[in-house]
Amino acid sequence: EVQLVESGGGLVKPGGSLRLSCAASGFTFNNAWMSWVRQAPGKGLEWVGRLKTYSDGGTADYAAPVKGRFGISRDDSRNMLYLQMNSLKSEDSAVYFCVTDEASSGSFAFDIWGQGTMVTVSS
Amino acid sequence: SYVLTQPPSVSVAPGQTARITCGGNNIGSKSVHWYQQKPGQAPVLVVYDDDDRPSGIPERISGSNSGNTATLTISRVEVGDEADYYCEIWDNYSDVVVFGGGTKLTVL
Repeated sequence: EVQLVESGGGLVKPGGSLRLSCAASGFTFNNAWMSWVRQAPGKGLEWVGRLKTYSDGGTADYAAPVKGRFGISRDDSRNMLYLQMNSLKSEDSAVYFCVTDEASSGSFAFDIWGQGTMVTVSS
Repeated sequence: SYVLTQPPSVSVAPGQTARITCGGNNIGSKSVHWYQQKPGQAPVLVVYDDDDRPSGIPERISGSNSGNTATLTISRVEVGDEADYYCEIWDNYSDVVVFGGGTKLTVL
């Protein structure tokens, strides 16, 4: 079964840091471009960033609101994706989804979603 | 930055046809994907590359894209179709993914 399972969410103070993890299974992870998408409470979907495969350069791109504060990395040996979040702000509070376009890598048609993990930034 | 505009809400009676639009500058030149999200659940891809359906998505759900508007059409609407729907594209100029603001479909 194709699956993405996020973990690591929680309550953090403004200015703090948090690292989210995403465990992938059921597909060839090292061939997958991986993304993070977030959704603030009662709001719409917002793309956070994407990490290419190492064979495609292994580079990451980020949405403007998180550029310079967030970093995406991967461990293909463990089928894990990570989102390092620094200098957190209240507006970063959201459910964070790990996603991939497994059927057509690089198409950004996200056919696989995790269940999401909640991040709350509050003092 | 590229902007996708969706109506906040669409209402339709059961058995009728719902059309949800997604507006963007020359969006017809881009590949549009659509997602359905029910309360408390992760989104589900229902249409990709303008008009293709993933396996398991009923033929009642279809997409089109031309000019400045992409459209998700749901025929013979059922109560179970009530959800939020989002369009999405990859903006190749800025190399970022853009989501529309979402449309809440209400089945009257």
